[in-house]
Amino acid sequence: GAGVSQSPSNKVTEKGKDVELRCDPISGHTALYWYRQSLGQGLEFLIYFQGNSAPDKSGLPSDRFSAERTGGSVSTLTIQRTQQEDSAVYLCASSVGLAGFTDTQYFGPGTRLTVL
Amino acid sequence: GQQVMQIPQYQHVQEGEDFTTYCNSSTTLSNIQWYKQRPGGHPVFLIQLVKSGEVKKQKRLTFQFGEAKKNSSLHITATQTTDVGTYFCAVNSGAGSYQLTFGKGTKLSVIP
Repeated sequence: GAGVSQSPSNKVTEKGKDVELRCDPISGHTALYWYRQSLGQGLEFLIYFQGNSAPDKSGLPSDRFSAERTGGSVSTLTIQRTQQEDSAVYLCASSVGLAGFTDTQYFGPGTRLTVL
Repeated sequence: GQQVMQIPQYQHVQEGEDFTTYCNSSTTLSNIQWYKQRPGGHPVFLIQLVKSGEVKKQKRLTFQFGEAKKNSSLHITATQTTDVGTYFCAVNSGAGSYQLTFGKGTKLSVIP
């Protein structure tokens, strides 16, 4: 079946511009995560959506970052007034979201963002 | 939330040598997962360990969960160039949470 998809795969933007990154999770997965991975670094948690619950935004690095998930499916991560330090690969993952379990997360291929 | 230390950060081995990466926590874990990320790729789930002292094998990979459920290891026997990548452990972020907290990863280089 289809895995997690993300678009665009690459995005080059100028400092100060806004960007939108899209994630299509696996159908039926209720949990969706966004991570940031700078070159050669680990995974930095950004935000987590679970069903209709309020998202966990505790990892967002600044108020320039926001995310939404429409209809419990597709998610968009928006970065306003991009800065060069925002350059990274943005990974989306989804999981089934079973109560009482730690889910396996399925990652998308990521969006490589370059801010000039 | 849960924290996990992963060591070493980097490991360079000659092809055919063994490799081990470790994850350690100061608190008891409910379970632990391992992921592999190939260069230029995205993390891919390898395995989940749940029981105290659990040992699981996948071909040349052996995964262990400590008796106290505070540490875990991934051991690769006779590394091959296809093993190159970064190996992450991931633990439940807290009671009742689905969220994972990832270790910083161990980057494995295999010299042919």
